[in-house]
Amino acid sequence: DAMVIQNPRYQVTQFGKPVTLSCSQTLNHNVMYWYQQKSSQAPKLLFHYYDKDFNNEADTPDNFQSRRPNTSFCFLDIRSPGLGDAAMYLCATSLSRAAQPQHFGDGTRLSIL
Amino acid sequence: LAKTTQPISMDSYEGQEVNITCSHNNIATNDYITWYQQFPSQGPRFIIQGYKTKVTNEVASLFIPADRKSSTLSLPRVSLSDTAVYYCLVGEIDDMRFGAGTRLTVKP
Repeated sequence: DAMVIQNPRYQVTQFGKPVTLSCSQTLNHNVMYWYQQKSSQAPKLLFHYYDKDFNNEADTPDNFQSRRPNTSFCFLDIRSPGLGDAAMYLCATSLSRAAQPQHFGDGTRLSIL
Repeated sequence: LAKTTQPISMDSYEGQEVNITCSHNNIATNDYITWYQQFPSQGPRFIIQGYKTKVTNEVASLFIPADRKSSTLSLPRVSLSDTAVYYCLVGEIDDMRFGAGTRLTVKP
């Protein structure tokens, strides 16, 4: 039973061409997170939503945006991908900000041509 | 946020107990300690969380000394399928970040 679903698992885009990654959840959790994970590195938090309240990390580039149209879905938009944005992007949820664990999807691996 | 230090890698053999220690010298009063496991091409999976003393669940134990400046994840009788990266996170319950992680390799 998939609980946090990320589509697609692999995404290829061209340098500078906008791309959107999607995440859906069946857990009805209030909080949704987006992480970036580069090869052999730890996941790095980009931002999170608590319900509709958006919380951006201070060092997240402006190139990265997010939308959460409803409880179940969250999108990561990369407006002008650069070569350095090639990475695994992980979506996670938690029941509330004061609750662990975070439930992760299996990620979307983004390649930039 | 408290800075964490873990060994970069560890090797073990099937059936052994594995202990991975995380140092967090500047842990704050309200900080919790959480461990995740990550396999290649998968998202991290929650293992265990604690605040002080000892916590045990069906897969692991977490030992936290009185000063809370370190913590040890204990995996009993590891198998080949426990080969993964293990992350120690320290922070307030709603504000944690992943550290560098420990790559555990279990050999037959």
